[in-house]
Amino acid sequence: AAGVIQSPRHLIKEKRETATLKCYPIPRHDTVYWYQQGPGQDPQFLISFYEKMQSDKGSIPDRFSAQQFSDYHSELNMSSLELGDSALYFCASSFLAGGTSYEQYFGPGTRLTVT
Amino acid sequence: AQSVSQHNHHVILSEAASLELGCNYSYGGTVNLFWYVQYPGQHLQLLLKYFSGDPLVKGIKGFEAEFIKSKFSFNLRKPSVQWSDTAEYFCAVNEWYGQNFVFGPGTRLSVLP
Repeated sequence: AAGVIQSPRHLIKEKRETATLKCYPIPRHDTVYWYQQGPGQDPQFLISFYEKMQSDKGSIPDRFSAQQFSDYHSELNMSSLELGDSALYFCASSFLAGGTSYEQYFGPGTRLTVT
Repeated sequence: AQSVSQHNHHVILSEAASLELGCNYSYGGTVNLFWYVQYPGQHLQLLLKYFSGDPLVKGIKGFEAEFIKSKFSFNLRKPSVQWSDTAEYFCAVNEWYGQNFVFGPGTRLSVLP
C-alpha cells in the first residue's frame, strides 16, 4: 500500500542557510501535518493543512513557513537555520471526515542536521 | 489545552516479563486515543487505536490497551515482551472534532535478552 513519502531523507545545512522539506501524502488524504522531533524529545506539532489551507498551527517558528499544493503535497520551508533546528521532521497525512481527523499515517521523516 | 502524560520515562524488563505502560490525558471531552511505537532509527508506527466501542483494544504484535474513561487513562499492555519490543512508545490523543494530535513525552522500553 502507498505510504507517506518524504524527501529528502537526510539533509545537512549550515547555519543561516535555508532548507525545503517535501511531503507527499497517501493518495486521497486531504490533510497534512508536520512534526518536529528533537533528539530525545517527543514529536512536537508544527502546522497542518486541510484542502490546501492552513488548518492548525503549533510551535512553528516564524522563520519557518509551509504550504500545501493543489496535488496535496506539502513543503516546509525553513530559513535562517539555527543549530537547534537539527531534528527529525515528520510529515503525516490523514483523511478528514465529518470534522474528525482519523489516525495519522507518518512518513519516514527527514533528518535535518544544521552545522 | 490538552495534555498527555506517560508514567515512566524508561522501563527496563527481561524477556517474557509482562508490560504495562501508563498514559493519562487531560481533555474532558470525547477523544480518540492512540499508541505509537518508534523502533530505533525508524519512524513512528501505529500500534493500536481507540475510537469507540469495546474499551479493550487489541493491536499489532500482541499489544493491547484499555480505555478507562473515569480515570482518563489508556494504558498499553503486553503479557510477554520480547527483545524486539525495545523501542520508544508514544501515547497520543486527538479530540473528537479536532485535528491536532497531542503526544505524550514517550516511554523508552528496553528489553534485556
